[in-house]
Amino acid sequence: QVQLQESGPGLVKPSETLSLTCTVSGGSIVNYYWSWIRQPPGKALEWIGYMYYTGSTKYNPSLKSRVTISVDTSKNQFSLNLSSVTAADTAVYYCARENPDIGGYYYMDVWGKGTTVTVSS
Amino acid sequence: EIVLTQSPGTLSLSPGERATLSCRASQSLSNSYLAWYQQKPGQAPRLLIYGASSRATGIPDRFSGSGSGTDFTLTISRLEPEDFAVYCCQQYGGSPKTFGQGTKVEIK
Repeated sequence: QVQLQESGPGLVKPSETLSLTCTVSGGSIVNYYWSWIRQPPGKALEWIGYMYYTGSTKYNPSLKSRVTISVDTSKNQFSLNLSSVTAADTAVYYCARENPDIGGYYYMDVWGKGTTVTVSS
Repeated sequence: EIVLTQSPGTLSLSPGERATLSCRASQSLSNSYLAWYQQKPGQAPRLLIYGASSRATGIPDRFSGSGSGTDFTLTISRLEPEDFAVYCCQQYGGSPKTFGQGTKVEIK
């Protein structure tokens, strides 16, 4: 079955760019939407944004000015870049596959285990 | 933005008991676009329910979801040892997608 694995630095300095990659195995990245979600310590999950395999994207307005999600179909991977990070961006970051419900809305049916990113100098 | 409020924050129950978890939305969810997830430390969140009441593939029938509009419920009919975890709801009909803060089901 499809599995997702997040990878990237566990420590990022303030004002720098956080970069993570999600590798999709056991299935193709084609024909699906793919999301990034994060969970700061002790807080609720927060949807960051999603991307279709063609490259079209939609972002959470609260993060839109700092977020870029991109895809590499040849590697079956998609990536997250979050610029100008602060301590508030410290969180567990998850990637997930979006599956369509009726009416063209999507829920997250497969998730990675998450990777912890700490923003600190 | 649609705010989801879950209650209670913590539910202390024994194996074999029934668990009833609530998720209330700040505005009506069209077509009941609500999902429930199970979270355990170090594991990937697991989809349990989508569309408010449809069980995801492989989910035991002791898990059931109900509700519409602004009030939704996840019921675990008889708690198994592996069910003690955090459960969160998510709406995916509004933008941005949002999550509740979670309900922890702990062993009494």
